[in-house]
Amino acid sequence: DTAVSQTPKYLVTQMGNDKSIKCEQNLGHDTMYWYKQDSKKFLKIMFSYNNKELIINETVPNRFSPKSPDKAHLNLHINSLELGDSAVYFCASSPPDDRRSEAFFGQGTRLTVV
Amino acid sequence: AQSVTQLGSHVSVSEGALVLLRCNYSSSVPPYLFWYVQYPNQGLQLLLKYTSAATLVKGINGFEAEFKKSETSFHLTKPSAHMSDAAEYFCAVSVASGTYKYIFGTGTRLKVLA
Repeated sequence: DTAVSQTPKYLVTQMGNDKSIKCEQNLGHDTMYWYKQDSKKFLKIMFSYNNKELIINETVPNRFSPKSPDKAHLNLHINSLELGDSAVYFCASSPPDDRRSEAFFGQGTRLTVV
Repeated sequence: AQSVTQLGSHVSVSEGALVLLRCNYSSSVPPYLFWYVQYPNQGLQLLLKYTSAATLVKGINGFEAEFKKSETSFHLTKPSAHMSDAAEYFCAVSVASGTYKYIFGTGTRLKVLA
């Protein structure tokens, strides 16, 4: 069983469209994240949720709206897509309240805006 | 603020040669440090982590890293490179921020030459 799964793996869409990426983890973790990896492979945190509550929002444009229906799911909805949104988006999860624990990552969603 | 710096965005080694990937950290509190590997078109996989239990940490696939407080370093090594080690490697530090988050270095692409 995949620990952290994202769908879709690839997403190609036109500028101005709205799209969603889904993430599910079966590890029982309370904390989930969205990271963005740009074309230079740089990884930057976008959001963090703890038990469905938004904890971290790293000055991401409000076109990006995460939603956590339960602690096993964290979806990312993006409105009015722009060329600069093209990137690989990673979902991750980690146990709560333990900075020593590692994050577990999904396989990524490669978003291409044309 | 806590951060990690990876020296060398690209490293090339011959098959069978020593692998050395450099990571330096900056932290006002005892750091918890991680090395991840990313194979092409895949997510991030944990290689090893430092959580203050031991300064020499052994990980998967024959990799190890040594935490040196005096040098603020956590370099990744492997005695003998295999072709299958070719990948992108990321150093990361966990940071308390509400819950906590992971700050990544800029990555080092390892190329293994036959």
